[in-house]
Amino acid sequence: QVQLVQSGAEVKKPGASVKVSCKAFGYTFTNYAMQWVRQAPGQRLEWMGWINAGNGNTKYSEKFQGRLTITRDTSASTAYMELSSLRSEDTAVYYCARVDYYDSRGYLDFWGQGTLVTVSS
Amino acid sequence: DIQMTQSPSSLSASVGDSVTISCRASQSISNYLNWYQQKVGKAPKLLIYAASGLQGGVPSRFSGSGSGTDFTLTISSLQPEDFAIYYCQQSYSSPLTFGGGTKVEIK
Repeated sequence: QVQLVQSGAEVKKPGASVKVSCKAFGYTFTNYAMQWVRQAPGQRLEWMGWINAGNGNTKYSEKFQGRLTITRDTSASTAYMELSSLRSEDTAVYYCARVDYYDSRGYLDFWGQGTLVTVSS
Repeated sequence: DIQMTQSPSSLSASVGDSVTISCRASQSISNYLNWYQQKVGKAPKLLIYAASGLQGGVPSRFSGSGSGTDFTLTISSLQPEDFAIYYCQQSYSSPLTFGGGTKVEIK
């Protein structure tokens, strides 16, 4: 069955970078895109960006331009989200989610378990 | 960016009640609207895609409707496992945006 397994919690200092992995099981990794969404404590879900796992094309939210890099390793069926120049406001749970489509309408049908990233001095 | 506004932000209901949650987009999004359920400490779970499509494995007591700017999620006959936070999300244009959530609590 489809499963997305993310790497474990991280604690980082302000200014550092974090890289979160998302390993896919149960489907052909390159046939789907992967999105990254985060949720700060008590806040709504926030879309960060996505990657076409087949060709590696990416699209990022303007909010994270210059700080966010999403990559993938097709041989490992794994997507990565790297966020740099971390600040306290980046403390959040980060999720990967698979994208599927119905008549060009995209939706997130499977989600990773989430990775808590804490930014603190 | 397209703003998604949900109402109410929270509600109290009893097991067996019918519940309706609203989601309004700041501009027309056709039916590019999805609904998710999130329980405490868990990842969101897809319930409804393309405004009214029921995701596989989701009970039929969940239904969605709407098009353009106004959408609703209805839970008929609320069950104990339905107490959670519900989010709408538009996939019409980037950046994809989510509503602020509706917390469904036990009365």
